[in-house]
Amino acid sequence: AQSVTQPDIHITVSEGASLELRCNYSYGATPYLFWYVQSPGQGLQLLLKYFSGDTLVQGIKGFEAEFKRSQSSFNLRKPSVHWSDAAEYFCAVGAHNDYKLSFGAGTTVTVRA
Amino acid sequence: DGGITQSPKYLFRKEGQNVTLSCEQNLNHDAMYWYRQDPGQGLRLIYYSQIVNDFQKGDIAEGYSVSREKKESFPLTVTSAQKNPTAFYLCASTRGATNEKLFFGSGTQLSVL
Repeated sequence: AQSVTQPDIHITVSEGASLELRCNYSYGATPYLFWYVQSPGQGLQLLLKYFSGDTLVQGIKGFEAEFKRSQSSFNLRKPSVHWSDAAEYFCAVGAHNDYKLSFGAGTTVTVRA
Repeated sequence: DGGITQSPKYLFRKEGQNVTLSCEQNLNHDAMYWYRQDPGQGLRLIYYSQIVNDFQKGDIAEGYSVSREKKESFPLTVTSAQKNPTAFYLCASTRGATNEKLFFGSGTQLSVL
């Protein structure tokens, strides 16, 4: 069975500081990995995805994530956060050409001035 | 602009009542999904549909029903059999029947009176 763990429920970061959100997955085959972002009361938006190839993937809004197979991790990073990055972030894992995604419980990011 | 429209944004249900949540997309996407979001639990799949007039149960289908009579529409009915319906409901769609990139609506918050 596939599953995702996001160890941090809530992270507070100062504007301009770096951000790293952790994601660990459990999956028997080569995973397809995703990061989504959700603003309050809204739907989710895809930030980036990893299918194969270069293990460092770039996404929208200046985010990047690194796939580490040996650690079963897919951590999300941003070098310098903006107040508009305050949101909830979800990591998800799925199989190639499958309909199903398993989502983590999410990490809420608060940005302080 | 193409997108997914969910309505209403807020919905209240009385005991023993069935309520229907609307989801319409004009992206010409084949597959549509319903997710339930509870605080601290991430997203859980209720139902999904890959083509018109066909749909499958997800992980938590009990107490819910759907229909897919048109490609653009995928309404979700929360029946009286769903004993804990209070949650944020998200509709999503994908171009093919894969998880490659989900497009989400802005959600419906359902509460019990």
